[in-house]
Amino acid sequence: KAGVTQTPRYLIKTRGQQVTLSCSPISGHRSVSWYQQTPGQGLQFLFEYFSETQRNKGNFPGRFSGRQFSNSRSEMNVSTLELGDSALYLCASSPGGGGVNTEAFFGQGTRLTVV
Amino acid sequence: AQKITQTQPGMFVQEKEAVTLDCTYDTSDPSYGLFWYKQPSSGEMIFLIYQGSYDQQNATEGRYSLNFQKARKSANLVISASQLGDSAMYFCAMREGLRTGGFKTIFGAGTRLFVKA
Repeated sequence: KAGVTQTPRYLIKTRGQQVTLSCSPISGHRSVSWYQQTPGQGLQFLFEYFSETQRNKGNFPGRFSGRQFSNSRSEMNVSTLELGDSALYLCASSPGGGGVNTEAFFGQGTRLTVV
Repeated sequence: AQKITQTQPGMFVQEKEAVTLDCTYDTSDPSYGLFWYKQPSSGEMIFLIYQGSYDQQNATEGRYSLNFQKARKSANLVISASQLGDSAMYFCAMREGLRTGGFKTIFGAGTRLFVKA
């Protein structure tokens, strides 16, 4: 069974540009979450999607957005990039409805560098 | 508010010895899940072990065990017989439901474990 796939693995963008990151969950998983990881802030929750609906959103500005498609694949978009957006972006998928006992399976992440 | 605290930024352990990584959490919700993840230098987060708030027994998975003390709100990870491949960043996480119907997982700051040969 294939794991969570994130593309691209590495990305370099210029300030002011926008970027779209992609996440393909494990087959059959319907819940997808996104996290931003930086050395200073650690792992911070961005949003969670289930069956194409955003169920929960972290405390990030509106420049960060996401969506989930009918095949459960998810994308996140960051517009008007800032230097502080440089981070490892991790996607995690979970089976079923994603309850409190739901293990999250992570992808290898997309490392975004904003210059 | 949800909070996860890992007070050990870095830990050293001798190969083949046991090590305990500390984690305390704060929540007012009676139903929650506690997780430990390992993050090697490659970046991928690897699930290690899960403990439910209603579980009576401590969780174990191979060389990993979770020392769950509910009254103290602690969920320490114990790694027995450390191996060089255990050198990595370890994250404690808590997941609970929200009034909006969704769920949220928050992570601690992590503990970097170094296993010495």
